[in-house]
Amino acid sequence: GAGVSQSPSNKVTEKGKDVELRCDPISGHTALYWYRQSLGQGLEFLIYFQGNSAPDKSGLPSDRFSAERTGGSVSTLTIQRTQQEDSAVYLCASTPGPGNTIYFGEGSWLTVV
Amino acid sequence: AQSVTQLDSQVPVFEEAPVELRCNYSSSVSVYLFWYVQYPNQGLQLLLKYLSGSTLVKGINGFEAEFNKSQTSFHLRKPSVHISDTAEYFCAVKDTGTASKLTFGTGTRLQVTL
Repeated sequence: GAGVSQSPSNKVTEKGKDVELRCDPISGHTALYWYRQSLGQGLEFLIYFQGNSAPDKSGLPSDRFSAERTGGSVSTLTIQRTQQEDSAVYLCASTPGPGNTIYFGEGSWLTVV
Repeated sequence: AQSVTQLDSQVPVFEEAPVELRCNYSSSVSVYLFWYVQYPNQGLQLLLKYLSGSTLVKGINGFEAEFNKSQTSFHLRKPSVHISDTAEYFCAVKDTGTASKLTFGTGTRLQVTL
């Protein structure tokens, strides 16, 4: 596709349920990132993939959060037993490599009620 | 590790006036620097980036930024703003070694009024 694609664009879930957020990076981009943006806050780094491996997952806030990437392409961010504080926009980004522009998707808006 | 400080959380300015959004960074290694813009209810869009070479970088929509290594700053400027420039602006830094993470500042809300 032309850009980074994320789905769903909006998700409302009940507290305690699990959610999966999907990211389709730009074709050929080897590096993929997940960020979280809470209302009125900056961007919080969650995890970075190079290919299918995650050299930096230091930003995952708890063990309820996990992510995987398969085939060096699609990535899924999973949040188990969601809590209200998980409500945020989850942004995915990709880049071909160092020094190249990092392109962001439109984000997945998650609301936990 | 890197960090980014955006000193102003909000900057109100009248249309056609000049504006400067401030950004300072901290890093123990060489870095690339970026400014992103986020319009309401939209994703992030790259305005400009500094990788190497000329310290004055020109971006889209008439914005420019100057890298100052001694002051560890990368301030964003526009000589004349428009209503349509109202948005959140984020400064970001990443080290040059690998495709490592971008570290963002907390953002500056630019509010342009008539």
